[in-house]
Amino acid sequence: DTAVSQTPKYLVTQMGNDKSIKCEQNLGHDTMYWYKQDSKKFLKIMFSYNNKELIINETVPNRFSPKSPDKAHLNLHINSLELGDSAVYFCASSQGSENYGYTFGSGTRLTVV
Amino acid sequence: GDSVTQMEGPVTLSEEAFLTINCTYTATGYPSLFWYVQYPGEGLQLLLKATKADDKGSNKGFEATYRKETTSFHLEKGSVQVSDSAVYFCALSRGQAGTALIFGKGTTLSVSS
Repeated sequence: DTAVSQTPKYLVTQMGNDKSIKCEQNLGHDTMYWYKQDSKKFLKIMFSYNNKELIINETVPNRFSPKSPDKAHLNLHINSLELGDSAVYFCASSQGSENYGYTFGSGTRLTVV
Repeated sequence: GDSVTQMEGPVTLSEEAFLTINCTYTATGYPSLFWYVQYPGEGLQLLLKATKADDKGSNKGFEATYRKETTSFHLEKGSVQVSDSAVYFCALSRGQAGTALIFGKGTTLSVSS
């Protein structure tokens, strides 16, 4: 039933490790996004894919790499994790223009120790 | 560039009090405007939206009117409940390909009984 699901919900890992966060949507939307929410709740767009094509690639370290195997999935892979990567990462989806609003997943809380 | 400015929180109210959370924006053209709500431990949910000047969005007792002359989209509710305690985000959309929602920094609302 979940419209946008992210896994895992919590991720605790050591510095230098590589980790992935998965996102799937069952809404039939054609656009998916990754946002990073910092400790002050500020939300920043990282990436967006439309029908598996990368359309937004904001200034983030190249240790972050999104992958979209199909339009229902958008995964985020992070290499060589750093303390500053600790945050909540949200996946979202929309149909066409974001004028219709986004549907968000429940977030993945990443803690790097 | 485009941006959204929200009043700083936290906002602390007693149950049944009147709520206003101010939001102003800077954007070229005619953006669409949104309010999202984030309950503790959850993702963001679309609360209401307005797509053109003078439109009023409403949902669950919350209202906001798109004021182009003052570039504002203030959120109001006549009588808040404890269950309204959450973080509220104002956002804008330029509705162009390759763009994403731009969020304000969020305002934390705490309602006590």
